[in-house]
Amino acid sequence: KAGVTQTPRYLIKTRGQQVTLSCSPISGHRSVSWYQQTPGQGLQFLFEYFSETQRNKGNFPGRFSGRQFSNSRSEMNVSTLELGDSALYLCASSLARGGFAGELFFGEGSRLTVL
Amino acid sequence: AQSVTQPDIHITVSEGASLELRCNYSYGATPYLFWYVQSPGQGLQLLLKYFSGDTLVQGIKGFEAEFKRSQSSFNLRKPSVHWGDAAEYFCAVGASTGNQFYFGTGTSLTVIP
Repeated sequence: KAGVTQTPRYLIKTRGQQVTLSCSPISGHRSVSWYQQTPGQGLQFLFEYFSETQRNKGNFPGRFSGRQFSNSRSEMNVSTLELGDSALYLCASSLARGGFAGELFFGEGSRLTVL
Repeated sequence: AQSVTQPDIHITVSEGASLELRCNYSYGATPYLFWYVQSPGQGLQLLLKYFSGDTLVQGIKGFEAEFKRSQSSFNLRKPSVHWGDAAEYFCAVGASTGNQFYFGTGTSLTVIP
């Protein structure tokens, strides 16, 4: 069974640009969550999607957005990039239905560097 | 507010020595607790989880953790550390409503020969 796949794995952008990251969840998983990981801050929750609907959102500015498609694949977008957006962006999928899923399965992440 | 604290930013142990990584949580309801491990350049892998029942849970790679409600703790232990255990370890709490997890800032483990 294929795991969570994130693309691209590495990317470099300049300030002011925008970026789109993609995540394909484990087959059968309908919940996709996104986390930002930076040194010293650990993992910060961005948002969670289930059946194409955003169910939860973390405390990030509106420049961070996401969406989920009917096949459960998800994308996140960051507009007007800032230096502080440099981070590892992790996607996780789970079997969540109405409530708590029980376990997150993580991809290897997309490493974003903003110059 | 929900939160997870990992007091030790970095720990160094000798190969073969025992290990304990600390985790304290703040959560109003019954917590769902997790330990994940992250190797350099990789995503997070689940080591073990606690939902209910026996407060001592066994995980992969010889790890175990004990849930102590009175201390709001969920410490991770391993009796004998291997060099391959060097990694970043994260404790997490899962909210019982919705699917949001709260992670600690991680403990970096170095294993010396």
